[in-house]
Amino acid sequence: GQNIDQPTEMTATEGAIVQINCTYQTSGFNGLFWYQQHAGEAPTFLSYNVLDGLEEKGRFSSFLSRSKGYSYLLLKELQMKDSASYLCAVRRGGGYNKLIFGAGTRLAVHP
Amino acid sequence: GAVVSQHPSWVICKSGTSVKIECRSLDFQATTMFWYRQFPKQSLMLMATSNEGSKATYEQGVEKDKFLINHASLTLSTLTVTSAHPEDSSFYICSAPTSGRISYNEQFFGPGTRLTVL
Repeated sequence: GQNIDQPTEMTATEGAIVQINCTYQTSGFNGLFWYQQHAGEAPTFLSYNVLDGLEEKGRFSSFLSRSKGYSYLLLKELQMKDSASYLCAVRRGGGYNKLIFGAGTRLAVHP
Repeated sequence: GAVVSQHPSWVICKSGTSVKIECRSLDFQATTMFWYRQFPKQSLMLMATSNEGSKATYEQGVEKDKFLINHASLTLSTLTVTSAHPEDSSFYICSAPTSGRISYNEQFFGPGTRLTVL
């Protein structure tokens, strides 16, 4: 089977740093993605990890530990526009490039 | 980045009717496209994989005869919700990887179609 777990909701203050965790158990692994989704809109790509370690991309960073089945997304210098859902998705091995999504974490950024 | 469009962006229909949703890759060819469904405050659930030139592959629990998928060309996949019922009301999103290679690391999502069945 497969299971991807993320916290349901988080709150943070503008200008702060927040870490959103994701743990996964999937049949096959070929990379982990983080997407941002605003209400009523399609997800937008944030980051991709396939090897262990940290990937930094501006204010956003993502970490992966394959042995632990664990990833986190780190958001720095939070802005109000960062209020959104953050989806962790695992690409399974094999063909077709399928993504299996976690339930998402709704982040609310307050002034 | 690559662009994926969907049409219509929203649709309201009566129970028992069929609704067709189009997904187009505008600036690249997509031999594979994916269809997802998202209920309010829930994550994306993969429904099926659309394959150009062959039959779609459906995820467990998704009815093939209810959700008809046709990948007519390298830039177009359609999802038809047949005999729609209120419980089919949802946000339907398609996506496409920009390369057929397994190693490619990004999918692009369409803007989604909000279906409401009365």
